[in-house]
Amino acid sequence: DIVMTQAPLSVSVTPGESASISCRSSKSLLHSNGITYVYWYLQKPGKSPQLLIYRMSNLASGVPDRFSGSGSETDFTLKISRVEAEDVGIYYCGQLLENPYTFGAGTKLELK
Amino acid sequence: EVQLVETGGGLVQPGRSLKLSCVASGFTFNNYWMSWTRQAPGKGLEWVASITNSGGSTYYPDSVKGRFTISRDNAQNTLYLQMNSLRSEDTATYYCTGAFDYWGQGVMVTVSS
Repeated sequence: DIVMTQAPLSVSVTPGESASISCRSSKSLLHSNGITYVYWYLQKPGKSPQLLIYRMSNLASGVPDRFSGSGSETDFTLKISRVEAEDVGIYYCGQLLENPYTFGAGTKLELK
Repeated sequence: EVQLVETGGGLVQPGRSLKLSCVASGFTFNNYWMSWTRQAPGKGLEWVASITNSGGSTYYPDSVKGRFTISRDNAQNTLYLQMNSLRSEDTATYYCTGAFDYWGQGVMVTVSS
C-alpha cells in the first residue's frame, strides 16, 4: 500500500500570513499518462471533507486562489496564502493512483 | 447544486448487517465512479469501496473485502453499501463520494453490543 506522510501534524498561523503543508508518498504518484494523482482536502470542524486541489496542482471549483498545490513525483506541498479564519480545520492529502486509495493522517491548522 | 445524502446508519451489534444508501443529485450520476470512505471517531480518512460508472467493477481494501459490497442503481441515482459481519473497528462516519470530488454529509455507524 502507498503510505502518505504529512507534516507537520499541526500548524498555528497568524491571519494574513501564509502556511505550507507537506505530504510525502512512499511511491511515485506520477502515472504514465503524465498526471500526478495527489489530492488535497480540507475538513472544517463538524463538516465533511471538501476537495481543494486535484491532480497535484489543479484548483477545485469554488476554491479561493489563495490555495495552491505543487510537488514532484513523491513530495507535495499545499500552500495557503493570506490565511483566513474560514481556513481552520484539518487538511488531508490523498493518493488516487492505485487502490487501496490512501490518505495522510492530516494536518490541523489553527489561528494564532 | 451537487448533493449526496446518505441514510441507513445506526447502532448495530457485532456480527450483524447494515445497508447504507446514498442518493445523488446535481450531477450526472452515471458518469461518475462512486466510492465510500469512512472516518472513525477522531481519526483520519479510510477508503472503503469504489464502483465504476456502469457498476461492472468494484474495488475494496483488504480490511472490508468479503464483508462489504458496493452497488449502484443508475436509474435511481443511488449508491449502496451492504455491510455484513460488522466489527467494532467498523465504527465510523461513512461518506459517499463522487469520484472523490463530491462528498456527502456522512452517516454514523456504531458497532457495539
